[in-house]
Amino acid sequence: DTEVTQTPKHLVMGMTNKKSLKCEQHMGHRAMYWYKQKAKKPPELMFVYSYEKLSINESVPSRFSPECPNSSLLNLHLHALQPEDSALYLCASSSGQVLNQPQHFGDGTRLSIL
Amino acid sequence: EDQVTQSPEALRLQEGESSSLNCSYTVSGLRGLFWYRQDPGKGPEFLFTLYSAGEEKEKERLKATLTKKESFLHITAPKPEDSATYLCAVQAGSGNTGKLIFGQGTTLQVKP
Repeated sequence: DTEVTQTPKHLVMGMTNKKSLKCEQHMGHRAMYWYKQKAKKPPELMFVYSYEKLSINESVPSRFSPECPNSSLLNLHLHALQPEDSALYLCASSSGQVLNQPQHFGDGTRLSIL
Repeated sequence: EDQVTQSPEALRLQEGESSSLNCSYTVSGLRGLFWYRQDPGKGPEFLFTLYSAGEEKEKERLKATLTKKESFLHITAPKPEDSATYLCAVQAGSGNTGKLIFGQGTTLQVKP
């Protein structure tokens, strides 16, 4: 079991749907991340939140909208996705300002776009 | 441009046959090098952090080492349960980002 919990584990949605992915950690970490991972590829960074503020957006399309309601929670709101957005979406967390500390990953949400 | 390259892409070993995975990097100002293990359908599991050349870390059958240009993950007497994809990632530069640069991974299969 990981200390970063992601829900749901699987999600199938149509291109016109709106859905949200959720991530929760209780390690007291103040940096949280969203990654996208395609099959047989490494994770690709999408967003970084530091102390509940968005610090990095890796030029992600606006159909992905992140939100950090508090230091333990991270959401990714999805709207009007494309088939190429089907992937494993991973959340990670790490200690806040100590930047060279390891990131701890959840087991991801497997997203399929019909 | 910061770059991380892992080799080999895939590795098949017999149980008990020791080997090493390589992670070479070209970055400006290494802040940390991280090894992860990823099982199919799961998220990456943190294994080791290395910060400076000459540093070594061990955990069970795994040992990670670091030089100024590369890191090795040595696997001693592997077991089938060591089969997984091993990812190397670096954090570099002076920016306040925490961004990881990943290699493409090495997929290890250990046969009984």
